[in-house]
This record gives sequence, C-alpha cells and structure tokens, in this order.
Amino acid sequence: EAGVAQSPRYKIIEKRQSVAFWCNPISGHATLYWYQQILGQGPKLLIQFQNNGVVDDSQLPKDRFSAERLKGVDSTLKIQPAKLEDSAVYLCASSHKGVTQETQYFGPGTRLLVL
Amino acid sequence: SQKIEQNSEALNIQEGKTATLTCNYTNYSPAYLQWYRQDPGRGPVFLLLIRENEKEKRKERLKVTFDTTLKQSLFHITASQPADSATYLCALVKAAGNKLTFGGGTRVLVKP
Repeated sequence: EAGVAQSPRYKIIEKRQSVAFWCNPISGHATLYWYQQILGQGPKLLIQFQNNGVVDDSQLPKDRFSAERLKGVDSTLKIQPAKLEDSAVYLCASSHKGVTQETQYFGPGTRLLVL
Repeated sequence: SQKIEQNSEALNIQEGKTATLTCNYTNYSPAYLQWYRQDPGRGPVFLLLIRENEKEKRKERLKVTFDTTLKQSLFHITASQPADSATYLCALVKAAGNKLTFGGGTRVLVKP
C-alpha cells in the first residue's frame, strides 16, 4: 500500500512570500492532519480534516495559514505571507476514520526555510 | 498549562544494553499514550499504544509502561542495536477524538 505523499520535499522562500504544500493521503483514509515540526520539537497539530470538513483548527494561525481538502482526498496547506518563524517541517498524516486509538500514518514532510 | 516532557538530551548507549526513555506530563488526563519513532528526514512511525488502564505493553524488544499516578510513561528498548538509533516521541491523546499532543522527543544513539 502506498504511503502518504507530500510535495515539495524542500522549499526556500523569503519572508513575506507565499508558499503552498500538497498532501495525498493513503487511499481510503477519511481523516487528514497537518502538523508543524520546528527543529528540536515534536510535531504540533495545525488542522484536522474529516473527509472535506474541518474537525480541529484551533492551533492554525488563521491570519496567515489556510488549508483545504475540497474533494475529501488531497489537501493543500498555504502560508501567506511567510514569517521567519514559519521555518519548520510540515508533516501530513492520515488515518482511516479518525476515531479514538487509531494509528496515524505520516508522510516524509516538507522542509520550509524562510529567509 | 499542559506540558509533555521528554529528556531533550541525547541518550548514548552501548549495543546490547537496554535504553530507557521517559515521558512526563502535567495538567493532562490522557486516555491513552502512543510512542513513535522518527528517523532524520522522515515522518514519525507508530510503534506502540498503551491505554490508561494498562500498566505495561510489549512488542518484540520494546516495552512501554504507563503510570497515571506518577503521570509518566517509560519506553524500553531491550538488546539495543545500532539500527534502533533514532528520535523517539511520545504522544498523548484525550478521551474524545484522535488528536495527538507530542512531546519534544529523545534522540537515541546506539553504539556498536
């Protein structure tokens, strides 16, 4: 079974520019998560989708971050405008139904450097 | 505020020995706890899950304990091998939903 796919793997931008990341979850997985992992820290949940609806976006900085999952499959995460502190790895994960105790499967991440 | 703490200092251990990692939490009442492994440049990979009413869980050379009184989980790698070198993350989950809250991770280096 193919894993979670993410692109690009690396991105370097200047502050105030915009950037977008793409995620394709495991086929059939209804739940999709975006995490931010700053160097030396654990992943922090930004947003959780159940099919194409948002379940939790309490930690998403909505003034600059946005995410969508229009058809309930692929998802994009956008940052506009980027700040220096947005430099991090952005991880996408998916799970089958998003129910309690379900395993989440992570993609390789997109490493973002904001200069 | 809620806090999940793992030893930020890397754990250097000789091959064949047992590595023991700690995960302490405060102001949190998790329903269960998960441990993940993360290699450089890769996403975390699920290893083990332990529920609040379970004291211990094992999987091959891995063992996890969960003490809700001490608010602590211990993660053991027995007969460690160089291939076990990675960062290990604990993640707590509340009763409802599947939202993971991660600790900062502990890097393990197993020397041959």
